[in-house]
Amino acid sequence: AQSVTQPDIHITVSEGASLELRCNYSYGATPYLFWYVQSPGQGLQLLLKYFSGDTLVQGIKGFEAEFKRSQSSFNLRKPSVHWSDAAEYFCAVAPTSGTYKYIFGTGTRLKVLA
Amino acid sequence: DAGVIQSPRHEVTEMGQEVTLRCKPISGHDYLFWYRQTMMRGLELLIYFNNNVPIDDSGMPEDRFSAKMPNASFSTLKIQPSEPRDSAVYFCASSAGQSYGYTFGSGTRLTVV
Repeated sequence: AQSVTQPDIHITVSEGASLELRCNYSYGATPYLFWYVQSPGQGLQLLLKYFSGDTLVQGIKGFEAEFKRSQSSFNLRKPSVHWSDAAEYFCAVAPTSGTYKYIFGTGTRLKVLA
Repeated sequence: DAGVIQSPRHEVTEMGQEVTLRCKPISGHDYLFWYRQTMMRGLELLIYFNNNVPIDDSGMPEDRFSAKMPNASFSTLKIQPSEPRDSAVYFCASSAGQSYGYTFGSGTRLTVV
């Protein structure tokens, strides 16, 4: 069955510390992969996406993610977290053809300590 | 571009009333999606359109829910009659295609009392 797993429901880091949010997927073939961020009271905003090529992708707000085919993972990273990064982060996969339906992970809520 | 525009931002209604949520997608985006977000169930895809045609409505909870897209710049999600369990944040999103990702609106927070 197709699925996306974000194993960490909550993560707390100190401002200035590095961050890694985990995402694992189960899919028949390599899908399109996305990370979104949702600030309180807002819609989801696209941070970055992967669909082919270089397995390390850069996104907005200083985020990057690495696709590892062998591990079916697409982890999100940031070298130095800012207080404004506190939000909920969602990993998502989409098929490369056919029905255009995302599968979203359940989200990881990030708390940043000053 | 103003992004995906949803209205209203907040809606409080009494059980049994009709509720209509509205969405204006980004111009040129061929896909439009309606999602519902709750703490218990997370993000649920209700329905999506391609070129104004409903493609998949398997996520629509029941006959009380209906969605239309009369033209490329407007869509509605209607709940009639509304029930307290419909309380959630409803998001509209649009997309230029599968590799582009979604652009979400700011959502409509619906409370049914």
